[in-house]
Amino acid sequence: AQKITQTQPGMFVQEKEAVTLDCTYDTSDPSYGLFWYKQPSSGEMIFLIYQGSYDQQNATEGRYSLNFQKARKSANLVISASQLGDSAMYFCAMSGNQGAQKLVFGQGTRLTINP
Amino acid sequence: GAVVSQHPSWVICKSGTSVKIECRSLDFQATTMFWYRQFPKQSLMLMATSNEGSKATYEQGVEKDKFLINHASLTLSTLTVTSAHPEDSSFYICSAREGRFTPKYTFGSGTRLTVV
Repeated sequence: AQKITQTQPGMFVQEKEAVTLDCTYDTSDPSYGLFWYKQPSSGEMIFLIYQGSYDQQNATEGRYSLNFQKARKSANLVISASQLGDSAMYFCAMSGNQGAQKLVFGQGTRLTINP
Repeated sequence: GAVVSQHPSWVICKSGTSVKIECRSLDFQATTMFWYRQFPKQSLMLMATSNEGSKATYEQGVEKDKFLINHASLTLSTLTVTSAHPEDSSFYICSAREGRFTPKYTFGSGTRLTVV
C-alpha cells in the first residue's frame, strides 16, 4: 500500500520569499512516481511537477523544484520567489507502476502568501 | 494538452434522488479513469478505479451499490450517486491517466454536489 504524509496543515509566507512544503511517503513498489498539485479555491487540480523514483536529478519546473531524497522517502516542494497567486492548497501524491497505477494524495498544505 | 471534461460543474438535488456525473476525455483514450471525493478542507479520497469495458474497482469502505460507475467507452466514464442523502454532499472529481507509460494524470474540473 502507498501512503503520503504532509505534516504542515498551513503555511504563511511573505511575498517573494522561498517556501518549502514537506512530503514523506511510504511504498513497497520498487518503481513509483511522485507528484505535486496545486488546488486553488475553484477546485481545479493544477499539475506542478513530477519526479520518477529512478530519476537521478531533482525535477524542476520554472519556480518549482522537487527536493527528492529517496533514502529518507521525502519529496519536498520548493517554490522560489513566492507570489500572491501561489496562495492555494498544495497536495503531494504518488503512484506505483503496478496494476491500475492509482494516484494517492496526502492531506494537503494550505499556503498563504502575505503581501 | 490533454483535456478531461466533467459535467455538471455543480448540481443540487433532493434527498432520495439519483445524480449522474459524466467525465469525458476529449483528445485521448482513457482505458482507466479514477473517481475521487473531496470534503471541505480535506484531501482527495480515491473512491474507485473505472476500467473501460469491465467492472469498476472500489476502494475499501466505498459502497458500490450507492456509487455506480460505468465506463462504457474509451472516452466516457460516469458516476451515479443513487438515493442521494445530505451526507453525500461533496466535491467529486475524476481523473484519467494519459497512457500507461506516461506519468500524466489529467483531472476534470470537478462537480459540487449538494443534496437537500
